[in-house]
Amino acid sequence: KQEVTQIPAALSVPEGENLVLNCSFTDSAIYNLQWFRQDPGKGLTSLLLIQSSQREQTSGRLNASLDKSSGRSTLYIAASQPGDSATYLCAVDYSGYALNFGKGTSLLVTP
Amino acid sequence: DVKVTQSSRYLVKRTGEKVFLECVQDMDHENMFWYRQDPGLGLRLIYFSYDVKMKEKGDIPEGYSVSREKKERFSLILESASTNQTSMYLCASSPAGTANTYEQYFGPGTRLTVT
Repeated sequence: KQEVTQIPAALSVPEGENLVLNCSFTDSAIYNLQWFRQDPGKGLTSLLLIQSSQREQTSGRLNASLDKSSGRSTLYIAASQPGDSATYLCAVDYSGYALNFGKGTSLLVTP
Repeated sequence: DVKVTQSSRYLVKRTGEKVFLECVQDMDHENMFWYRQDPGLGLRLIYFSYDVKMKEKGDIPEGYSVSREKKERFSLILESASTNQTSMYLCASSPAGTANTYEQYFGPGTRLTVT
C-alpha cells in the first residue's frame, strides 16, 4: 500500500512567520496531490490541487510544490496568522479514483 | 460553490443497531466517497461510487455497505453497529475526469458513537 507521510506531526510558530509543511510519498506514479485544511471536529476544506504534470500551485498566501521524482510535496504558508491554526492534510491520488491521506500536521499559530 | 451535506453531525447508536449515514451533493458529481477518520490512523476509504448503482470497496469495507440509487445521494450502512465503528465519518464527492484530475469536496462529517 502506498504510504503518505507528513512531517512534522505538530508545529507551533509565532504569528507572522513563514512556514513549510512537508509531505512525502512512496510511489512517484501519481495522478495528483491535494492539500486540505481541517478545523477541529469539522470536515476537510480543499486548499490546493496539484496535478501530476504540474510543479506548483498558488492561492493567496499558500504555495504548494510537487517533486514526483523525489516523492515530495511542500506547503508553504507566508506570513502566518492565528486563523491558520488547523490540521493540514496531504493526500495523494495513486489510483485515479480515491485518495491516500497522510496523518496530518497540526499547526498552532500564536499571537 | 460545491455543497456536500451529511444527515447528522452527531449520532449515538447502540451495539447491534442498523445505522444509516446519508450524504447529498448538489453539483452533479459522478464520484462519491465514504471515509472514516480515527486518531493515529488518519482517513481511510471505506467505499466509493463512480456512478448510480455502482460501488467499489475501499481499504476497510468490512462491516459496511453502501447504496447509491440517485446520483446526488450516497448512503453508508452499518448493518449491525459495533463499538469499533465509533468514529468520524466523512463523505466526499468529485466530478469524473481523466484519471480523476479534479479535487474532492468534503462534507462536515458525522461523529458516530456506538455504545
